Amino acid sequence: EIVLTQSPATLSLSPGERATLSCRASQSVSTYLAWYQQKPGQAPRLLIYDALNRATGIPARFSGSGSGTDFTLTISGLEPEDFVVYYCQHRGDWPPGATFGQGTRLEIK
Amino acid sequence: QVQLVESGGGVVQPGRSLRLSCAASGFSFRTHGMHWVRQAPGKGLEWVAVVSDDGRTTYYADSVKGRFTISRDNSKNTLYLQMNSLRAEDTAVYYCTREGVSSKWCFDYWGQGTLVTVSS
Repeated sequence: EIVLTQSPATLSLSPGERATLSCRASQSVSTYLAWYQQKPGQAPRLLIYDALNRATGIPARFSGSGSGTDFTLTISGLEPEDFVVYYCQHRGDWPPGATFGQGTRLEIK
Repeated sequence: QVQLVESGGGVVQPGRSLRLSCAASGFSFRTHGMHWVRQAPGKGLEWVAVVSDDGRTTYYADSVKGRFTISRDNSKNTLYLQMNSLRAEDTAVYYCTREGVSSKWCFDYWGQGTLVTVSS
């Protein structure tokens, strides 16, 4: 079973700064890695799929990188609405289920 | 537009059963694998179950295996989750979600969620 570990658990930054969120897999997941944003009281929203592709309607300040076991979500020029929780997720051929990281909370410094 | 609307949540006693539904619209339901993902209060996301596009293949998280059953009715564009022998630790918001169009390895649309509370 693949385990995804996100770091840091909480990241404190100011609007306008750059955020770098990490997701590490316990074994290689190739580029089968997605990132989601979740605002309070809302369902998760897909940001990045296949490690580096922005989902439809996602602003260009969100970018993803990485492959194998180490992945990064970068948010350039933080906006006030970006200070919420982010999850990484993996799903592969078998088993067909999914795994989520424990989340990173981005808070205003 | 794509819509996923869950229903069926509520308060239930431990050991009892509940069935969740997810009504899909705005896309070709029969061509997407569908999943249930849950989130306990104040906690992270936990994947629960998947059913293939044709309904023939299912798979479950160990935490619900043998108690929950995922199914779908492609003629009604509806996804289901039958939850039996409910426990306090099953208390969560349950989301239905579909496998993505651009990549089946992610979830591109989610419902708003339905809250299940297991309590005596």
